[in-house]
Amino acid sequence: AQTVTQSQPEMSVQEAETVTLSCTYDTSENNYYLFWYKQPPSRQMILVIRQEAYKQQNATENRFSVNFQKAAKSFSLKISDSQLGDTAMYFCAFMKSGAGSYQLTFGKGTKLSVIP
Amino acid sequence: KAGVTQTPRYLIKTRGQQVTLSCSPISGHRSVSWYQQTPGQGLQFLFEYFSETQRNKGNFPGRFSGRQFSNSRSEMNVSTLELGDSALYLCASSLVQGSYEQYFGPGTRLTVT
Repeated sequence: AQTVTQSQPEMSVQEAETVTLSCTYDTSENNYYLFWYKQPPSRQMILVIRQEAYKQQNATENRFSVNFQKAAKSFSLKISDSQLGDTAMYFCAFMKSGAGSYQLTFGKGTKLSVIP
Repeated sequence: KAGVTQTPRYLIKTRGQQVTLSCSPISGHRSVSWYQQTPGQGLQFLFEYFSETQRNKGNFPGRFSGRQFSNSRSEMNVSTLELGDSALYLCASSLVQGSYEQYFGPGTRLTVT
């Protein structure tokens, strides 16, 4: 079974600053996908960024980037130029590849507050 | 393209009753997954359906069941409701062909009294 750990229950950052959210996972699988989801107070879960484990290059989506360290089983999310709209719960998630089923395993989440 | 829709958005039920929640995936998406979100347990996988077949099921009692229709719409049913079933139930859909990303609906907030 896979486990995902987010060790920072809450974080805050000043508007326009950079913040990094941590995520570690445990798995015996070699092929998998990792995701960061954002859940604003309105509750709609939004996919922020994804990473395929077989790719060494870190994924980037505009102000969001990841630092994927496969050997260390670490997958952190960096948010640059933080905006008020980034205030949300952020969930790190894991999915096995080629399992014939789509199942996400989530961490407990990090509540991020962007301060004006 | 419309996103994942879930109905109803809010529901209040009494212990012992049963409830049915509905999920309409993004057009063309064939896989539908269900998750339960609670403050204590976080997000937990319930089950996933593809082509009207349950492909995987999480660690939940048999009171939780689901089905998928030929148009990919899905329903989940909880029978003999317990107070602990109070949660946000999220549905997610996936295209499947060459895509592993899941897109979530707004959820159904179920309160059991």
